[in-house]
Amino acid sequence: KQEVTQIPAALSVPEGENLVLNCSFTDSAIYNLQWFRQDPGKGLTSLLLIQSSQREQTSGRLNASLDKSSGRSTLYIAASQPGDSATYLCAVRLWMDSSYKLIFGSGTRLLVRP
Amino acid sequence: DAMVIQNPRYQVTQFGKPVTLSCSQTLNHNVMYWYQQKSSQAPKLLFHYYDKDFNNEADTPDNFQSRRPNTSFCFLDIRSPGLGDAAMYLCATDDGQTHNEQFFGPGTRLTVL
Repeated sequence: KQEVTQIPAALSVPEGENLVLNCSFTDSAIYNLQWFRQDPGKGLTSLLLIQSSQREQTSGRLNASLDKSSGRSTLYIAASQPGDSATYLCAVRLWMDSSYKLIFGSGTRLLVRP
Repeated sequence: DAMVIQNPRYQVTQFGKPVTLSCSQTLNHNVMYWYQQKSSQAPKLLFHYYDKDFNNEADTPDNFQSRRPNTSFCFLDIRSPGLGDAAMYLCATDDGQTHNEQFFGPGTRLTVL
């Protein structure tokens, strides 16, 4: 059974710091991995999608890496800003019970202090 | 520009009073999903439709039902809401292909009094 774990559960950093959020998964037979951002009381915004054949994806100050063989992904945020404060969720896509599904981690709650 | 739309954004119902949440999409995607997310937890898949084929998760309570009258719309019906059903309900879509991205709506926050 696929399990997705995110560490740390919460993180507080001063503005301007570079930071890394971690995601691990137990079954490497994934098709892709998505990183999402969720603001309090809101839906999920997709940040980056990495296909299983890729090693990394970049968007602005965000860089996500994927090491499928070791079951790990990281989300790197450069020069963090207070507006980056949110919960960050990773999810893996896999074939399960005759359909494609996303399995989510519980998220890392990030606070960037001014 | 909105791609996945959920209505209402906030819904208050009374214990045991049926409620329906709505989702629509402009992406023409084959697959529509409903997730339940409780505070500080991961979204939990309730069920999904691939076209008209309904796929229920094994642990989804019978109290939760869904309808998909056409490609664009999907509804979540909670027949007799309990206090434990208070949560954020998220609708998502994708085109059912191997490597594709799932798109989420803004969610409906359900409160049960």
